[in-house]
Amino acid sequence: EVQLVQSGAEVKKPGESLKISCKGSGYSFTSYWIGWVRQMPGKGLEWMGIIYPGDSDTRYSPSFQGQVTISADKSISTAYLQWSSLKASDTAMYYCVRRKAEGVFSGGYYYYMDVWGKGTTVTVSS
Amino acid sequence: DIQMTQSPSSLSASVGDRVTITCRASQSISSYLNWYQQKPGKAPKLLIYAASSLQSGVPSRFSGSGSGTDFTLTISSLQPEDFATYYCQQSYSTPGTFGPGTKVDIK
Repeated sequence: EVQLVQSGAEVKKPGESLKISCKGSGYSFTSYWIGWVRQMPGKGLEWMGIIYPGDSDTRYSPSFQGQVTISADKSISTAYLQWSSLKASDTAMYYCVRRKAEGVFSGGYYYYMDVWGKGTTVTVSS
Repeated sequence: DIQMTQSPSSLSASVGDRVTITCRASQSISSYLNWYQQKPGKAPKLLIYAASSLQSGVPSRFSGSGSGTDFTLTISSLQPEDFATYYCQQSYSTPGTFGPGTKVDIK
């Protein structure tokens, strides 16, 4: 079974650092992009960034560039999302996702998030 | 970034109703449009990709259409388990922005 298993809920204080994880199983981890999606309490979905574990190529949304770091360790099929200094506004649910690609006849690929982790709740409060 | 809008933001419907949700992109995205369903306290689930392709395991009452800037998600006969929030997402360019969501609840 293809699945993404995320690390557990975190409660942190402003200014602290944090690294949450997402472990893939049931498929070739290095062959698919892994992304991170934020959902603030009661709000919609926000695309944060993606990483290709095969070569660690990483892309960020401008909204999150410089605010978080996405990384991966392909030897243990795990992707990470980390903060160096948390803010209260980082309080949210964070989902990791597998991004699948399907070829388009005319060239290029359709991308879609076909597998989602259950999410990691991050609470930042003094 | 490409901006995505959805309408309505919420709707009330009855079991058996035909429901249509609209998604609009701020520029042409061809057919690079996905739909997700999210139930309270759960992770989103992929329903439709490439505007009209049904994800494996998703009931055939769900369908998607459109290209360019205007897209629709249709539920042909609403079932009790379909009450949820629905999001569109463009995959034409990075970042793959989502729409704000449409909440479907019970009339």
